[in-house]
Amino acid sequence: NAGVTQTPKFQVLKTGQSMTLQCAQDMNHNSMYWYRQDPGMGLRLIYYSASEGTTDKGEVPNGYNVSRLNKREFSLRLESAAPSQTSVYFCASSETGTGREKLFFGSGTQLSVL
Amino acid sequence: RKEVEQDPGPFNVPEGATVAFNCTYSNSASQSFFWYRQDCRKEPKLLMSVYSSGNEDGRFTAQLNRASQYISLLIRDSKLSDSATYLCVVNTGGGNKLTFGTGTQLKVEL
Repeated sequence: NAGVTQTPKFQVLKTGQSMTLQCAQDMNHNSMYWYRQDPGMGLRLIYYSASEGTTDKGEVPNGYNVSRLNKREFSLRLESAAPSQTSVYFCASSETGTGREKLFFGSGTQLSVL
Repeated sequence: RKEVEQDPGPFNVPEGATVAFNCTYSNSASQSFFWYRQDCRKEPKLLMSVYSSGNEDGRFTAQLNRASQYISLLIRDSKLSDSATYLCVVNTGGGNKLTFGTGTQLKVEL
């Protein structure tokens, strides 16, 4: 059972380039999330999808877009990367998204924007 | 005041020691509380949920103090393998939003 799989693990971009981070879960979870983690700061929510077909902004959505392609997949797109988006990105999922249940995380993507 | 605050540490303790971390939260309406463990350069993983009555899982004990708005994690008989960062997570305001603390780093030494 793979759980939450995200790709790529590492990426280096130049300022202005675009890219999409992919995430898939095989646990039949309804809710999926994208977080970023920066030194000295807690994980911050970028976007989330409470259920298939819905997406909502989190705490730090500027510069990002998301797509909930189906129940399994939730992608994060950087249209024009900026150095401030250098971070570690984690995708996560949970069964119902109530805020009272376990989050399952992917292994992370380390992104550097030069 | 931050919504969730933790002492970043590091806490350096000898193997076999007992160590405790606290985490304070600002929103008194928060309902759900968790401790996650994060190893270096890895994803966070749930260590334990924190229940109102307190709960224990082997060497780990979690407690909630609603009056003073903090949760705690106690680790007894520390092992080298307990070395990690411990993240406090609170569903701020009792809704579906989860707020992560910055984490407390624990280093267990021989």
